[in-house]
Order: sequence, then C-alpha cells, then structure tokens
Amino acid sequence: GQQLNQSPQSMFIQEGEDVSMNCTSSSIFNTWLWYKQDPGEGPVLLIALYKAGELTSNGRLTAQFGITRKDSFLNISASIPSDVGIYFCAGRENNDMRFGAGTRLTVKP
Amino acid sequence: NAGVMQNPRHLVRRRGQEARLRCSPMKGHSHVYWYRQLPEEGLKFMVYLQKENIIDESGMPKERFSAEFPKEGPSILRIQQVVRGDSAAYFCASSRSAGFNTGELFFGEGSRLTVL
Repeated sequence: GQQLNQSPQSMFIQEGEDVSMNCTSSSIFNTWLWYKQDPGEGPVLLIALYKAGELTSNGRLTAQFGITRKDSFLNISASIPSDVGIYFCAGRENNDMRFGAGTRLTVKP
Repeated sequence: NAGVMQNPRHLVRRRGQEARLRCSPMKGHSHVYWYRQLPEEGLKFMVYLQKENIIDESGMPKERFSAEFPKEGPSILRIQQVVRGDSAAYFCASSRSAGFNTGELFFGEGSRLTVL
C-alpha cells in the first residue's frame, strides 16, 4: 500500500506558539484525515478533507488538502498544554486507508 | 449513539496461549479495520473486513493471526500461540459503506495485549 511520510517526527514548543506538521505521499488520495491520540487512548478524528485544495478549520486547527492530492498539512495556532499528544495523518483512496508514523507534540507551559 | 467498542481493554496471556480481541463497530457501519500499534510507534494496518468478507489482509501475518466479521456479532481478531512480540495495542476502527461520501474512520479505545 501507499506509504505516508509525516514530518516532523516530534516537536517541542512553548505554550502559545503555532505548530505546523505535514504529510506527503507517493500516490494520490481522495480523502485526507488528521487524528490525535492521547496516551492510552484510541485516535480521535480532528479534521477530514475531501477535495483537493480544500482548507478546513476546527477551532485552533486548520488543515489543507494539497492540490496534487499527494499531501496535506495541519496547523495548530496558539498551542495550549492539552494539545500534547501524537498527531497522525491518514490518506484514504476508496477503502484503502494508510497512516503516517505520527508527530509527537510536547507543549511546555 | 455508542462509538466503536473494543474488549477487553487489557489482556494478559502467557506464551503459547490464544488471544481473542473483539470489536463492535458503530451503528450503521459495515466496514471494520484492525490496526496494531507498538509503543512509541504509529498505526500499522492489519486487515480490513466487511460483513462476512475479508477485503484486504495484506498487513496481517500469515501464521497465527486471523480475523472475522460475521453476519451477527462483533469482529474478532484472533492470535494463536502468542509470542512476546505480539505484545501491542490493537485498535479497531469502523466506517460507513464506501457508497457514502464519508471517509472517516472512527476508532475504539484499543485492546492492550501483554504476553508474558
């Protein structure tokens, strides 16, 4: 299946800073998804993107579906301590869903 | 509307025993996916099932692992003769049928298998 390259692997930021992470693929997808996973829990869906070029916001989170359909980014503005966790991108083409390796976010108060 | 339900949340087995993990998808969802996650790592696809059919099992080891999603009841991931390397968190996710314009997978809270 397609491999997703997610970067950065980890980020250490100060509370209040903005965060940006991205995902690229060698193949196209018709859906991009961003999930957050807290320790000991399952991934929770943050944002879903269905159209190339689509820009969607959910509170302090903004994500975009790349024009080429091979990439997506997630921005978090004005980070707070509860943003800590692992963020996963996922690409879906029909019934094939693949995940990136995750970006581990640490927010220092 | 209950989410994806997985049980048990924690399971301890000795080497050579069998592990059975169960997953009930969200109401109205007929697609089930199983993923495996090792500590500090991402989600690795194992198998994708629809009711009574295995659609893609390319991520599942050929030996000792099997999965089913019967017409009635939960999906089951079965690991026979477990070894220490099987220790991991196993996540189930479900989605609506492909005919709907929705690509979201909804995850359960996972089953954490520890093999002694």
